[in-house]
Amino acid sequence: AQKITQTQPGMFVQEKEAVTLDCTYDTSDPSYGLFWYKQPSSGEMIFLIYQGSYDQQNATEGRYSLNFQKARKSANLVISASQLGDSAMYFCAMSSGGSNYKLTFGKGTLLTVNP
Amino acid sequence: NAGVMQNPRHLVRRRGQEARLRCSPMKGHSHVYWYRQLPEEGLKFMVYLQKENIIDESGMPKERFSAEFPKEGPSILRIQQVVRGDSAAYFCASSRRTGGLNTGELFFGEGSRLTVL
Repeated sequence: AQKITQTQPGMFVQEKEAVTLDCTYDTSDPSYGLFWYKQPSSGEMIFLIYQGSYDQQNATEGRYSLNFQKARKSANLVISASQLGDSAMYFCAMSSGGSNYKLTFGKGTLLTVNP
Repeated sequence: NAGVMQNPRHLVRRRGQEARLRCSPMKGHSHVYWYRQLPEEGLKFMVYLQKENIIDESGMPKERFSAEFPKEGPSILRIQQVVRGDSAAYFCASSRRTGGLNTGELFFGEGSRLTVL
């Protein structure tokens, strides 16, 4: 069975600083994908970044990067130069080979960016 | 707006009534997924559909819940005889193909928030 663990219920960061949101995963499938989503207070789920298990390089999308450490089974999200609008819930999720149409989500981390 | 469209955004029902939630996938996407988010939880997979077919409904409660994706029109998640525990946000997502999840090509709608009084 697949499992995603986000150990930080809440995080605080000062505006313009970088922040790392932790995510560890567990799967026995050799092929899997890792996703990060942002959910602001308005409730929608916004796709941020994706990393495939066979991708050689860490994924980056603008101010978002995914620190993928396969041996440690971790997929931490790094947000650089935090902005007030980054305040939201952040969810890590995984799809895996056996059911590659199904995402397993963590419980999320609430990020607050302070001015 | 070419994104995944869900309606209604908010729905209030009394216990015992029926709730119908609709989802129109992104243009060119023929795979639809429904997820449920209970308060302060992550999303949980419910069902995966292609046009006119239910592929995997392993996350659907055995009773009162059903889903369809007809040849024409949106996908519908139907909850009969709602109870308070059904209060949640229901998200629809779509992809071009099953393998889309191996490339990150999965996009969510804004969700439908069901409140059962």
